[in-house]
Amino acid sequence: DAKTTQPPSMDCAEGRAANLPCNHSTISGNEYVYWYRQIHSQGPQYIIHGLKNNETNEMASLIITEDRKSSTLILPHATLRDTAVYYCIVRVAGAAGNKLTFGGGTRVLVKP
Amino acid sequence: DAGITQSPRHKVTETGTPVTLRCHQTENHRYMYWYRQDPGHGLRLIHYSYGVKDTDKGEVSDGYSVSRSKTEDFLLTLESATSSQTSVYFCATGQGDYGYTFGSGTRLTVV
Repeated sequence: DAKTTQPPSMDCAEGRAANLPCNHSTISGNEYVYWYRQIHSQGPQYIIHGLKNNETNEMASLIITEDRKSSTLILPHATLRDTAVYYCIVRVAGAAGNKLTFGGGTRVLVKP
Repeated sequence: DAGITQSPRHKVTETGTPVTLRCHQTENHRYMYWYRQDPGHGLRLIHYSYGVKDTDKGEVSDGYSVSRSKTEDFLLTLESATSSQTSVYFCATGQGDYGYTFGSGTRLTVV
């Protein structure tokens, strides 16, 4: 699976949009981009995933560049409860075991 | 998430003793995983299962064994616990290409 690069940390103002970047320049055509987050001491929580089209759900939006070498997770109106470590992961769809490999993630601090 | 439970939530054990952690799911998911999380290392895959009696190693499998005799249960065993296995252990389940569901974790301390 391709590796990802994320900034180690970022701050965001409460009520504003949080834009979390992720680089995956070696991504293959059959690899999906997944985003998870982990709030202090809890198990990671699935947020969203996509292949090449932009995706939106009740939690966030995922914007994938046309060349698929990078993506951005957007939290439209950040709240204090969105303070967490966010992980960007790429994985081959349908691969044996469907294993997820976690990197260091981005530690997001939402400030009042 | 109510569909996956880990037990125990906390455990303190002595070096050299065997320890078994249990993961139970009610989602009927095919895939189940055990991860450990340590400061400075993030989440690392220990073992995973892709069906009853079908398991395989992850990146940090030394010192651990697993068993899956039923779809709903995935057991992680430390045959002889060491201090380096002090960690938080997370179980997860998955089905198809959708996201994993993680349990709340088991905090294990080996003294």
